[in-house]
Amino acid sequence: DTAVSQTPKYLVTQMGNDKSIKCEQNLGHDTMYWYKQDSKKFLKIMFSYNNKELIINETVPNRFSPKSPDKAHLNLHINSLELGDSAVYFCASSHPDRGDGYTFGSGTRLTVV
Amino acid sequence: QKEVEQDPGPLSVPEGAIVSLNCTYSNSAFQYFMWYRQYSRKGPELLMYTYSSGNKEDGRFTAQVDKSSKYISLFIRDSQPSDSATYLCAMSDTNQAGTALIFGKGTTLSVSS
Repeated sequence: DTAVSQTPKYLVTQMGNDKSIKCEQNLGHDTMYWYKQDSKKFLKIMFSYNNKELIINETVPNRFSPKSPDKAHLNLHINSLELGDSAVYFCASSHPDRGDGYTFGSGTRLTVV
Repeated sequence: QKEVEQDPGPLSVPEGAIVSLNCTYSNSAFQYFMWYRQYSRKGPELLMYTYSSGNKEDGRFTAQVDKSSKYISLFIRDSQPSDSATYLCAMSDTNQAGTALIFGKGTTLSVSS
């Protein structure tokens, strides 16, 4: 049983296209996140949602738009993809009252050509 | 100066060695400290979670936090080839819902048999 699942695992697309990445968690967590990991493996927060409400919106181009239809799902839509968007995108979730850190998905490897 | 500094390595040790991984940070407000392990092409998985200063042990792993020096460490005893991975330190100032974790860049560890 996968706790945090992301689809697709791999995404290769051309510059200028629009794409979406989906994330679902079955842990009963209230809080979900999107992180970006660049080629140097540096993980940086993009967004966080708590119970469908946007909490953190880091300095991310507005071509990136998250959407949380319910607290178990957090999707990421990217418009007008650029070469610099190539990275691994990780979804994560956490329980707000327990100090047990995040649970990450296995990542979506996005390559823009 | 970056908020969290971590030597990227790579670090190569023989099986059975004691490994020491370290991070320094600049934000004195950080109180929650974590170590994640990330295997190639996988998501980070939580290894250790520590609040404030002190030591925490879990099997072959020991996490240490020295808030006065703004320094955290992860020790791995009797290292195994299966410990070969990238180790990421992470920290935050609160554990409130939606709080971002600030990650180090990760140290790549290789344990040879």
